[in-house]
Parts: sequence; structure tokens; C-alpha cells
Amino acid sequence: DTTVKQNPRYKLARVGKPVNLICSQTMNHDTMYWYQKKPNQAPKLLLFYYDKILNREADTFEKFQSSRPNNSFCSLYIGSAGLEYSAMYLCASSGTAEQYFGPGTRLTVL
Amino acid sequence: QQKVQQSPESLSVPEGGMASLNCTSSDRNFQYFWWYRQHSGEGPKALMSIFSDGDKKEGRFTAHLNKASLHVSLHIRDSQPSDSALYFCAVRASSGSWQLIFGSGTQLTVMP
Repeated sequence: DTTVKQNPRYKLARVGKPVNLICSQTMNHDTMYWYQKKPNQAPKLLLFYYDKILNREADTFEKFQSSRPNNSFCSLYIGSAGLEYSAMYLCASSGTAEQYFGPGTRLTVL
Repeated sequence: QQKVQQSPESLSVPEGGMASLNCTSSDRNFQYFWWYRQHSGEGPKALMSIFSDGDKKEGRFTAHLNKASLHVSLHIRDSQPSDSALYFCAVRASSGSWQLIFGSGTQLTVMP
């Protein structure tokens, strides 16, 4: 089973409110990633966990938080959503080179 | 920072035709290229990877890499309507991790 699941699939949030997105995988992969995808743009890596070690990209360091309570689950947390956070958020996992993606969560901030 | 450029942005081919997609990396220290495909409502799924000069064929899909020009192409022969999707090129980041840097994609439409 190479399934990566994401919840919810769609999320509406108000400006200034927190947002929490969930990802799970059952492949026992040691690395999990979060990407942000906007229309006509490349998926942008926000952060990734290698085992229990969190690595955040420099330009998104203060905007996104994440936790990985166990190997299977990983969350993406936005403390105060702004309009610019409206996007598709893709979670992926990998054991070696290939990354396996979930279907994404479409976040709309109003 | 490394950039990955894809062309064209969109492409339409008739059913049974050949689709050709292009990708160029700006980093000479790249590790290897990936092609991912994303159907509507789904996440991207890996098609194939290539890191040696020349061609790599998997079924109807052929990737061609020219390391000197940092250019890779993907050719889909006998295109089917089910091939209609967003195709991403990705390059493994030169930092030594499994991180990928993606291009913005080519939207392929195969017309029945």
C-alpha cells in the first residue's frame, strides 16, 4: 500500500485564525514533506521531517509549524492565516528517492 | 537557488499522437531528474527518473537526458486521453538530501 492520506481535503479559514492540516502514511517512510502549490506555480517545499528532525525552509521558517508525533503522522500548522496562504497543500513521504504524494488539502482563506 | 524551467506551459495532442515535454535545470551539480504526473483531484505520482545521458524507456514513456545542457525531455508516444494531466519535472537538490525542486509543470491535454 503506497497511500498517503490528507485531512481535510478542503478547508475554509478566516484571516487571522489558526489552521491545522493532517497527513498520514503507512509505508514506514522516515521522511515526510509539506509543499505549498499555487496555480501556475511549482510546488514549493515548506518543510520536511527526517525521522524526528524538522527542517524548515529559510523563507517560510516563521510562517509554518509542524509536528510528527509518530512515524505515520505529520501535521502542518499555521498560527494566523493570511490571504496569501490560500493554496493547495501537498504532503509527501519517502523512504528513498521516490516521493509519494497525498491528494492535497485545498485551503481557502477568507 | 536552483531553478527548474519547463516548457511548454500547455500542450494539446490528438489521441495516438506524440507528446514532447521539456525541462532544464540551472544547477550543474544536480543529482538526477524526475518526472511526476498529476491527474485532477489527485496528488503527483512519479513516472520515472533518469540520471544517465541518453534515453530511458518505460512503456510508452521515454525520457532523454543531455547532461551537458542540463536538459531532459519526456516523450509520450501513442498518447491516450488518460494521459491528460499536469506533468512536473523535478531535480534532486544538490544539498545531498532527497529534497526535490519542482518546475511549474506542463498541462497536457490529449484530444479523443
